[in-house]
Amino acid sequence: LAKTTQPISMDSYEGQEVNITCSHNNIATNDYITWYQQFPSQGPRFIIQGYKTKVTNEVASLFIPADRKSSTLSLPRVSLSDTAVYYCLVDSGSARQLTFGSGTQLTVLP
Amino acid sequence: EAGVAQSPRYKIIEKRQSVAFWCNPISGHATLYWYQQILGQGPKLLIQFQNNGVVDDSQLPKDRFSAERLKGVDSTLKIQPAKLEDSAVYLCASRAGSQETQYFGPGTRLLVL
Repeated sequence: LAKTTQPISMDSYEGQEVNITCSHNNIATNDYITWYQQFPSQGPRFIIQGYKTKVTNEVASLFIPADRKSSTLSLPRVSLSDTAVYYCLVDSGSARQLTFGSGTQLTVLP
Repeated sequence: EAGVAQSPRYKIIEKRQSVAFWCNPISGHATLYWYQQILGQGPKLLIQFQNNGVVDDSQLPKDRFSAERLKGVDSTLKIQPAKLEDSAVYLCASRAGSQETQYFGPGTRLLVL
């Protein structure tokens, strides 16, 4: 079972780039990495997903090194509205692998 | 497209009472999950359905929790009888395929007094 470890909290200022790293030492060959964002009183919302190297979409980038034992979510130029909890999830599509960690509380300051 | 719908959004009950939650996944999504999220923690998977069959319920406390998805669409999660430690947000999620994105509903916040 791939367990994930993330920093509990991070602070940043508006306009800065934020990088949140997640470690997943027991990741299996079939697993891929997904990041979610969660605001209070809402369900998690998909941000980005990747298997290896780098993935970029309109809101974030995901960097995965060759050994895939960690991944880094990069949020460019954060704003106050990016204040939320961010979860990384190692997901093989199997229910037994769907384990969320405790997440990282990102606070963006003015 | 419409998202995952859940009801009710909030529920307050006394311990030992029963409660049921309803989920309507995104149309066409064969896989449905129920999660429990305790305050300050990440979501914990309770059960996974593939169409109307249970794929995994190893983390479902079966002495008090039950879930069904009779027609392979909507699903209900029931707790009977509720305990104080069941106070949490119950999230439903669905996905089209095993490597597709999970989409979460807004959750049902349960408070057991």
